[in-house]
Amino acid sequence: DAKTTQPTSMDCAEGRAANLPCNHSTISGNEYVYWYRQIHSQGPQYIIHGLKNNETNEMASLIITEDRKSSTLILPHATLRDTAVYYCIVRNPSGYALNFGKGTSLLVTP
Amino acid sequence: NAGVTQTPKFQVLKTGQSMTLQCAQDMNHNSMYWYRQDPGMGLRLIYYSASEGTTDKGEVPNGYNVSRLNKREFSLRLESAAPSQTSVYFCASSQERTDTQYFGPGTRLTVL
Repeated sequence: DAKTTQPTSMDCAEGRAANLPCNHSTISGNEYVYWYRQIHSQGPQYIIHGLKNNETNEMASLIITEDRKSSTLILPHATLRDTAVYYCIVRNPSGYALNFGKGTSLLVTP
Repeated sequence: NAGVTQTPKFQVLKTGQSMTLQCAQDMNHNSMYWYRQDPGMGLRLIYYSASEGTTDKGEVPNGYNVSRLNKREFSLRLESAAPSQTSVYFCASSQERTDTQYFGPGTRLTVL
């Protein structure tokens, strides 16, 4: 699976959009980009995933660059409950494991 | 619809003791997984079960055994616990092995 690079930490004001970047320059054509988050002491929570096109669901939007070498997770109106560690994962469809790196620790402040 | 449930939530063992971590899912998923997460680190796959009746080793299987009891349940057994197995254990499931994985709340295990 391709390696991902994320900033260690980010801050965001409550009510503002949180934009979390991820670099995956070695991604292969059939690998998906997944985003999970882990709120302190809880199990990882699935957020969104995509292959080439931008995706949106009730939680977030995923923007993937045309060359697929990077992506951005957007939480449109961050709340205090969005404070968590966010993991960007590149997943080969033939693999079983999700390779969680260190992720980005997002702090949403009042 | 509870999703993925795990028992117990917390457990303290002495070195050499054995125990079984239980996991169940009510989403009719075919594939199930066991991960461990050590402090400050990402999750690592211990074992997985692609479908009922099959199990395979993941990245860190040593010291563990698993049983896919039926489609709903996937247990993880520590035969002789060691301090290095102190960790948080997460169970996950997915419809098929290529699909999105959904995680349980975790079991926090301390081995003294």
